[in-house]
Amino acid sequence: KQEVTQIPAALSVPEGENLVLNCSFTDSAIYNLQWFRQDPGKGLTSLLLIQSSQREQTSGRLNASLDKSSGRSTLYIAASQPGDSATYLCAVRPTGTSGSRLTFGEGTQLTVNP
Amino acid sequence: DTEVTQTPKHLVMGMTNKKSLKCEQHMGHRAMYWYKQKAKKPPELMFVYSYEKLSINESVPSRFSPECPNSSLLNLHLHALQPEDSALYLCASSQGVLAGYEQYFGPGTRLTVT
Repeated sequence: KQEVTQIPAALSVPEGENLVLNCSFTDSAIYNLQWFRQDPGKGLTSLLLIQSSQREQTSGRLNASLDKSSGRSTLYIAASQPGDSATYLCAVRPTGTSGSRLTFGEGTQLTVNP
Repeated sequence: DTEVTQTPKHLVMGMTNKKSLKCEQHMGHRAMYWYKQKAKKPPELMFVYSYEKLSINESVPSRFSPECPNSSLLNLHLHALQPEDSALYLCASSQGVLAGYEQYFGPGTRLTVT
């Protein structure tokens, strides 16, 4: 059974810092990995989707990498801002017929202090 | 338009009430999903519809009854709920159920069962 772990569970940083959020998964038979952002009591906003054949994806100040063989992904946030404060979730999608099932990690709660 | 809408935003209901949650998308997606998210936990898949047919039911109690009247609409009918069913209910959609399709999430309905 796929398990997804995110470290750290919570992170508090001053504005302007570069930071890295980690995601690991136990089964490397994934089709892709997706990073989401969730503000308190709100829905999920997709940030980046990395296919299993890709090594990284970039969007603005965000860069996500994927090392499928070692079961790891990182989300790098450059020059953090208070508006980046949210919970960040990673989710993996398996290969095969159960591809519609996303397995989520428990998330990293990020606070960026002005 | 990459928007999934959900109504209502908030719902308070007693254990003997019957209510419905509604989800709508106009992206031409043929797969729609219901997730349940408890506080500080990741979303958990409940149901998947593919081409308006139920394809996955994750052993959800019968007091939750999904319905997909057409390709743009997804309902979740609620009856005789328990206080532990209080959660954020998220709807998502994707082009299809295959692993390569990205899921887009709605803002959620915050349900409180009294």
